[in-house]
Amino acid sequence: NAGVTQTPKFQVLKTGQSMTLQCAQDMNHNSMYWYRQDPGMGLRLIYYSASEGTTDKGEVPNGYNVSRLNKREFSLRLESAAPSQTSVYFCASSDQGPTVEKLFFGSGTQLSVL
Amino acid sequence: KQEVTQIPAALSVPEGENLVLNCSFTDSAIYNLQWFRQDPGKGLTSLLLIQSSQREQTSGRLNASLDKSSGRSTLYIAASQPGDSATYLCAVKGFQKLVFGTGTRLLVSP
Repeated sequence: NAGVTQTPKFQVLKTGQSMTLQCAQDMNHNSMYWYRQDPGMGLRLIYYSASEGTTDKGEVPNGYNVSRLNKREFSLRLESAAPSQTSVYFCASSDQGPTVEKLFFGSGTQLSVL
Repeated sequence: KQEVTQIPAALSVPEGENLVLNCSFTDSAIYNLQWFRQDPGKGLTSLLLIQSSQREQTSGRLNASLDKSSGRSTLYIAASQPGDSATYLCAVKGFQKLVFGTGTRLLVSP
C-alpha cells in the first residue's frame, strides 16, 4: 500500500552542491511528474514523463534534470543548487488518458539551499 | 495561459458549519477540474474530479460543482468537522498539464 514514495523527506544544501531526489511508485502507472510548491505560487510542474523512456519539460525546468530509470522510478537532479530552488518538491504519478489525469502524490521533500 | 485563483486564501469556521470554497479559472477550454486536500507536511490527495461534461460530483459530505462558462467551481463541505482542517486546492486540466490554484487553508474549530 506504499503508492508514491519520495526520498529524502528533508535536505539542506549549500549553494553549488548537487543532489538527486528519488521517487518510486508501485501502482504500475505510466506517467510520472515532478512539481515544486512555493508559498503563494501553487504547484508548478518541473518535468514529467508520459511513459518509460520519455521525459518532457514542464513550466519551470531550468536548473533541473530528470531520469526515468524504469517504469517505477523517476528521479530529479539539481546539478548546482541555488537559493531560488528552496522549495517543497512533490513527485506524482497517474495512469489515466491524456484528458483524465487523477494524480497520486508522494509526501514531499523539503529542500533548503543556503 | 490558464490561471487558477482560489479565494479566500484562509477560512476559519466553527464545527458543524456548512461551507463553500471557491475556485475560478480564466480559460474555459478544460477537460476536467479536480479538488485536492493537502495536510501539513503531506502530499496532495485527490478528493473529487469533475469532467468538463459534468455539472457536479459528490463524495460523502463533499460536493463539487463546475460551471465552465463562467470559469468557476465550488467545493461544498457539509457539517464541517475538525478533521476537515487542511488546505484545499483545485487544479484544472486543459491542453497543458494540470494548473493548480494556490489553495484555501481551512481551519474548523471544535
